[in-house]
Amino acid sequence: ETGVTQSPTHLIKTRGQQVTLRCSSQSGHNTVSWYQQALGQGPQFIFQYYREEENGRGNFPPRFSGLQFPNYSSELNVNALELDDSALYLCASSFQVVSGANVLTFGAGSRLTVL
Amino acid sequence: GESVGLHLPTLSVQEGDNSIINCAYSNSASDYFIWYKQESGKGPQFIIDIRSNMDKRQGQRVTVLLNKTVKHLSLQIAATQPGDSAVYFCAEMTGDDKIIFGKGTRLHILP
Repeated sequence: ETGVTQSPTHLIKTRGQQVTLRCSSQSGHNTVSWYQQALGQGPQFIFQYYREEENGRGNFPPRFSGLQFPNYSSELNVNALELDDSALYLCASSFQVVSGANVLTFGAGSRLTVL
Repeated sequence: GESVGLHLPTLSVQEGDNSIINCAYSNSASDYFIWYKQESGKGPQFIIDIRSNMDKRQGQRVTVLLNKTVKHLSLQIAATQPGDSAVYFCAEMTGDDKIIFGKGTRLHILP
């Protein structure tokens, strides 16, 4: 059983550029959540994808968008990068139940630096 | 609004002693709480969870206590070891099944 894998592990972009981060969910999981973790802070919920559709969104602008694919892998896209977008981006997968305690399994994250 | 916070940003504990990490939450409607451990360079790792219909739950060397009256959550680690050094986050599940994290507490283990 493989865990959650994210790529790339580190990347550097400049303001105004666009970035795509990728996530492969854990085997058997059908839901992917993305979090942004600034240095010294807790992870902030960006959005969640279930059955290839956005299933909830945190307080992030529309330039943060995502996709989920039939194999449950996911992408996070950020357009028009700003300096404050520099952070660790975490992907977490889970198995969605009707009313459940969905235990999240996290990847190691993608460290984005915006210059 | 919904928020999860922690009383202490840093906690130093002697190796072998017990550690207690505290957390306050504000959303009385939350019914599921989780503790995560994050080591340097890694994503958060699930430690233990508790539902709001319980006030205590024990795992291996860890115990979570929930006091709904004062909206307080704590994580107790018995016989703290060097491998317990990490940042610990409490998190709550909102009404729409989203996990919201607090700011975290860094646990230092003193030799």
